[in-house]
Amino acid sequence: DQQVKQNSPSLSVQEGRISILNCDYTNSMFDYFLWYKKYPAEGPTFLISISSIKDKNEDGRFTVFLNKSAKHLSLHIVPSQPGDSAVYFCAASRSNDYKLSFGAGTTVTVRA
Amino acid sequence: GAGVSQSPSNKVTEKGKDVELRCDPISGHTALYWYRQSLGQGLEFLIYFQGNSAPDKSGLPSDRFSAERTGGSVSTLTIQRTQQEDSAVYLCASSLVGYTEAFFGQGTRLTVV
Repeated sequence: DQQVKQNSPSLSVQEGRISILNCDYTNSMFDYFLWYKKYPAEGPTFLISISSIKDKNEDGRFTVFLNKSAKHLSLHIVPSQPGDSAVYFCAASRSNDYKLSFGAGTTVTVRA
Repeated sequence: GAGVSQSPSNKVTEKGKDVELRCDPISGHTALYWYRQSLGQGLEFLIYFQGNSAPDKSGLPSDRFSAERTGGSVSTLTIQRTQQEDSAVYLCASSLVGYTEAFFGQGTRLTVV
């Protein structure tokens, strides 16, 4: 049972524009959410996270928004750069269980 | 080491053979995870080790899969009698206690032919 879903397998965006990646979850017990970025032939690297006590967390060009009532989070990348081209995974966990549940990933391609 | 190290990076094996995948976590990280990513799929949780506690094996897909962690450091994931559906990238990650931001290795790409 897929508890974390990324319904868009791919996203293409012009350099300099905004990339918006979406993620939905079904388990209301999740209270910590993360985004990981993965380049080919490398392991995923942590990008940004958000706790359920917040609805927004910003780190440079990356902002994550959390809508608990909708069980939805999104990652905004502004402005998008060619080096942002990668697969982005959404992940969720419960604070008393550090096991991460991952979505299937969204492949972002930033066009020059 | 500076990061999580996995070996081998690639492994091709014949169906029915046993394979061992190794993970060397970041020094001091007591939590260690194994995940796998099949083609077109997300990361699938396999097993979690935390210190001296009993591992969480709830993600292991069958009894052909086992893992151990010796001395609280290096971990080995063993797949017995490999099947073609075992073909995937196997990822190891480690973290500090109480931190969910796990650091991943580069993975082992397993191909069963």
